Amino acid sequence: GQQLNQSPQSMFIQEGEDVSMNCTSSSIFNTWLWYKQDPGEGPVLLIALYKAGELTSNGRLTAQFGITRKDSFLNISASIPSDVGIYFCAGSYTGANSKLTFGKGITLSVRP
Amino acid sequence: GAVVSQHPSRVICKSGTSVKIECRSLDFQATTMFWYRQFPKQSLMLMATSNEGSKATYEQGVEKDKFLINHASLTLSTLTVTSAHPEDSSFYICSAERTGFQPQHFGDGTRLSIL
Repeated sequence: GQQLNQSPQSMFIQEGEDVSMNCTSSSIFNTWLWYKQDPGEGPVLLIALYKAGELTSNGRLTAQFGITRKDSFLNISASIPSDVGIYFCAGSYTGANSKLTFGKGITLSVRP
Repeated sequence: GAVVSQHPSRVICKSGTSVKIECRSLDFQATTMFWYRQFPKQSLMLMATSNEGSKATYEQGVEKDKFLINHASLTLSTLTVTSAHPEDSSFYICSAERTGFQPQHFGDGTRLSIL
């Protein structure tokens, strides 16, 4: 099936640094979601975006819904060790069929 | 809010056994629940969409007789892996969506190991 493009597959940063992750699609979406998954657990919702151009923050996390509706980015500021994990973007169309299309995920490592 | 509970968290059983996994939305009603499968170092793969009171919709390539889904109430969906074989070993994750509202919230997953 269709997937969103997330790259690189892995990112390595120093504690305290900011990091930005991008997610792109060839199709437009009405909703963009960012999830974080720790090993052996289910994904946890970080930020949900519903409107083109929308910029939303959740603590040290900020995400934006691209104006073309084909991309989104997630910024993490002042990274800490517990930010380690896999970050997935996901897009969907609202309505009766609200299946999510996932990116392949970016594994973030934070060096203390 | 938006807590989804999945049980059991881990199952180890012999080949040929049928295994049932439960997914519950604890603090909201979920008209729709989703079942995913995830292989190591890969993204989530949607298996089926479960709607309360109706038959599940399976993704292409997913055997509906192998993976039985029941969504009998607005807070519970079950996935039964029938006559499981080693190739069915995987991490199975459910998600639930509030009635008429995104986003999906996920359970903690079930690690299924078939010997």
